Amino acid sequence: GAGVSQSPSNKVTEKGKDVELRCDPISGHTALYWYRQSLGQGLEFLIYFQGNSAPDKSGLPSDRFSAERTGGSVSTLTIQRTQQEDSAVYLCASSLDGPRSPLHFGNGTRLTVT
Amino acid sequence: GESVGLHLPTLSVQEGDNSIINCAYSNSASDYFIWYKQESGKGPQFIIDIRSNMDKRQGQRVTVLLNKTVKHLSLQIAATQPGDSAVYFCAENSRMDSSYKLIFGSGTRLLVRP
Repeated sequence: GAGVSQSPSNKVTEKGKDVELRCDPISGHTALYWYRQSLGQGLEFLIYFQGNSAPDKSGLPSDRFSAERTGGSVSTLTIQRTQQEDSAVYLCASSLDGPRSPLHFGNGTRLTVT
Repeated sequence: GESVGLHLPTLSVQEGDNSIINCAYSNSASDYFIWYKQESGKGPQFIIDIRSNMDKRQGQRVTVLLNKTVKHLSLQIAATQPGDSAVYFCAENSRMDSSYKLIFGSGTRLLVRP
């Protein structure tokens, strides 16, 4: 597709379970980002990939959060032992060559932890 | 820490009028700025960007103004339409530690009255 694709679009999980969120960036974009957006709030930076490496993981809230990117393309964000405070929309974005070019966002995965 | 903020959380305008959304940033070293529009249930959509070597940039019905002296950014929307109703975020490319990061403000909701 032409844009950033995220799946699933919605995920409801029980507290304590692990979840995996997927992002397919725009083809040819070398940089990939994960952000988190709580209801009515701004965007909280989580992690940034350049190619397959993550030069900036500073936004990951705890060691329950991890992310990987393979083949310079698809990325997965994994949240282990989910907590209710993890409920949010998780947004993925990609850009052509890093934070000095526009980020193009997917529509996000809405995660609800019950 | 460094942050991007917005003066007005909600802006209500009459259809056909011009809208101005303001944003203050605190990192004088930031060199790239972007405005995003976010509609309900969707990811942020790129509107327009500007680099620090410019003070004005125009797009279709939108203009971004950058005043580096007072660290102020604004988005002007001409002839505002109902479809412009959304939350608008400014973002700055800010150098933190050894990398650059795109930091988002908290957003301004634009309501267009028919």
